[in-house]
Amino acid sequence: KNQVEQSPQSLIILEGKNCTLQCNYTVSPFSNLRWYKQDTGRGPVSLTIMTFSENTKSNGRYTATLDADTKQSSLHITASQLSDSASYICVVSAMSTGNTPLVFGKGTRLSVIA
Amino acid sequence: DTGVSQDPRHKITKRGQNVTFRCDPISEHNRLYWYRQTLGQGPEFLTYFQNEAQLEKSRLLSDRFSAERPKGSFSTLEIQRTEQGDSAMYLCASSAGTSSGNTIYFGEGSWLTVV
Repeated sequence: KNQVEQSPQSLIILEGKNCTLQCNYTVSPFSNLRWYKQDTGRGPVSLTIMTFSENTKSNGRYTATLDADTKQSSLHITASQLSDSASYICVVSAMSTGNTPLVFGKGTRLSVIA
Repeated sequence: DTGVSQDPRHKITKRGQNVTFRCDPISEHNRLYWYRQTLGQGPEFLTYFQNEAQLEKSRLLSDRFSAERPKGSFSTLEIQRTEQGDSAMYLCASSAGTSSGNTIYFGEGSWLTVV
């Protein structure tokens, strides 16, 4: 069964600190992995998309890594800001001739405090 | 704003009533998706369209749910005889092209509360 597991479920950090969120998946055959940021009550916003050939991709203070062999990804947030408080969702897509629905993780709830 | 637009943003309805949500995707995006999300969970796939054709439906989409995209532009999601378990945020998303690697843009969601 295609699944995406994220850890930790929630995280609280001080403003200015770094943090790393984890994503493990069993989706096969793998096509790409995405990280989304979702503010409370809002729709998800795309941060990064990575294919199996990409090991790392950055978007400002966000850096995503991918290890297709171990089926793991991480999202590293540098110098956190209060506005980073949100849920971060890992989403994996399987390769197919169509567009197989994305498999969503449950997200990691990040709270950045002053 | 040229993003994905959803209407209404919030809907409170009595159990047993029908509700309809509308989604206007980003212009010229040929793929349109519907997801459902409950508190503390990630979005769950409901259905998606390639232009006006509904290509896939989740088992979550019971016969009380129906989605249409008649002209390949906007889409509607109707829930008949609503139940309290239908309370959730209904997310619409769109993407361009047919590659599964294209960015998928989400709307702000339509919150449904069934009382």
